[in-house]
Amino acid sequence: DTGVSQDPRHKITKRGQNVTFRCDPISEHNRLYWYRQTLGQGPEFLTYFQNEAQLEKSRLLSDRFSAERPKGSFSTLEIQRTEQGDSAMYLCASSFEKTNTGELFFGEGSRLTVL
Amino acid sequence: AQSVAQPEDQVNVAEGNPLTVKCTYSVSGNPYLFWYVQYPNRGLQFLLKYITGDNLVKGSYGFEAEFNKSQTSFHLKKPSALVSDSALYFCAVRPDSNYQLIWGAGTKLIIKP
Repeated sequence: DTGVSQDPRHKITKRGQNVTFRCDPISEHNRLYWYRQTLGQGPEFLTYFQNEAQLEKSRLLSDRFSAERPKGSFSTLEIQRTEQGDSAMYLCASSFEKTNTGELFFGEGSRLTVL
Repeated sequence: AQSVAQPEDQVNVAEGNPLTVKCTYSVSGNPYLFWYVQYPNRGLQFLLKYITGDNLVKGSYGFEAEFNKSQTSFHLKKPSALVSDSALYFCAVRPDSNYQLIWGAGTKLIIKP
């Protein structure tokens, strides 16, 4: 399978714990995106990388959220001191483009449940 | 504020009938327009996009969409619905190359046999 892969697919944690999600994009893609999706809503943009550089981060994103893409390949999204409001599906997407007009390729998502 | 509206939370269509899922947007300039589909417990899949050119664009699984600049709409259509088309459909707009995608809230499409 050469698509976008995310791990873990499901994570249940207690409030206050830290969690980390991993995303492996399509290998030749230079752009990587993280989104959050809650039931009945469209995806909410979190952050975006071009190669290893984090170029944009949502102003609505709490400081408890951090993302890295150290070698311009896989990326991790860490949530510190989780809260029940963090429960959502975390989606990763990638693309290869120079003009920013192309489509995104999404992974299956990582579902987080905070108890 | 820039926004995307999908006015119908749910659309019900009988199998074999034509379907339309509506999308309107409020953004400045000449945006790039996209449709994605999400099956239960799955990620989003790209269906089609409009960048420039012919107002009718064709995409995956027999879907097409019509761009109407005067009405700022980008409705998704299919001539003959299949039960397997039942899913959640999202319209997304990129105002220009410097902006992230703005997403609609989604429309649940139910195709009944």
